[in-house]
Amino acid sequence: EVQLVESGGGLVQPGGSLRLSCAASGFTFSTYSMNWVRQAPGKGLEWVSSISSTSSIIHYAVSVKGRFTISRDNAQNSLYLQMNSLRDEDTAVYYCARAVNWSYDFWGQGTLVTVSS
Amino acid sequence: DIQLTQSPSFLSASVGDRVTITCRASQGISSYLAWYQQKPGKAPKLLIYATSTLQSGVPSRFSGSGSGTEFTLTISSLQPEDFATYYCQQLNSYPRTFGQGTKLEIK
Repeated sequence: EVQLVESGGGLVQPGGSLRLSCAASGFTFSTYSMNWVRQAPGKGLEWVSSISSTSSIIHYAVSVKGRFTISRDNAQNSLYLQMNSLRDEDTAVYYCARAVNWSYDFWGQGTLVTVSS
Repeated sequence: DIQLTQSPSFLSASVGDRVTITCRASQGISSYLAWYQQKPGKAPKLLIYATSTLQSGVPSRFSGSGSGTEFTLTISSLQPEDFATYYCQQLNSYPRTFGQGTKLEIK
């Protein structure tokens, strides 16, 4: 059974940092591109970042470029999102999602990041 | 960036109704469009990918069509569990973008 489990969310002050993790199981993690998608409270979905299976291709949304870094450890079946210089507008539930067939077919349950003083 | 505009943003319908949600892209995206269903407090669930291919396990009352810049999601006969918010997503280019969502409510 495919499982994606996010962790690392919490309350952080503006300007602070947080590292999210996504633990994958039930599939060959090293062969899939992975993604982070976020959802601010009461709002729609916003794509944040994508990373290819070998980490050779990475993309970021303009809103996070230069502040967030996506990475993965295929040996540990894990995806990460290092978030620096956090702003109020980064407050959201962050989901990791697997990419296949030009879609995101499995999603984690999400982890809430709250940026507030 | 490719903008996706869903219409309507809100839809009120009854069990058994046939409903259609439209997703318009600001430029052509070939067939690289997916549809997701999201219920409150839950992660999105993939319904359809590549415009019209039904994800495994998704009921056949869901269907998708379109090409280029205009796409539709149709639910042929609404069931109680279908009341949720629906999003389209383009995967033709980066940044990946989502529509703003369509909230389907019970009439």
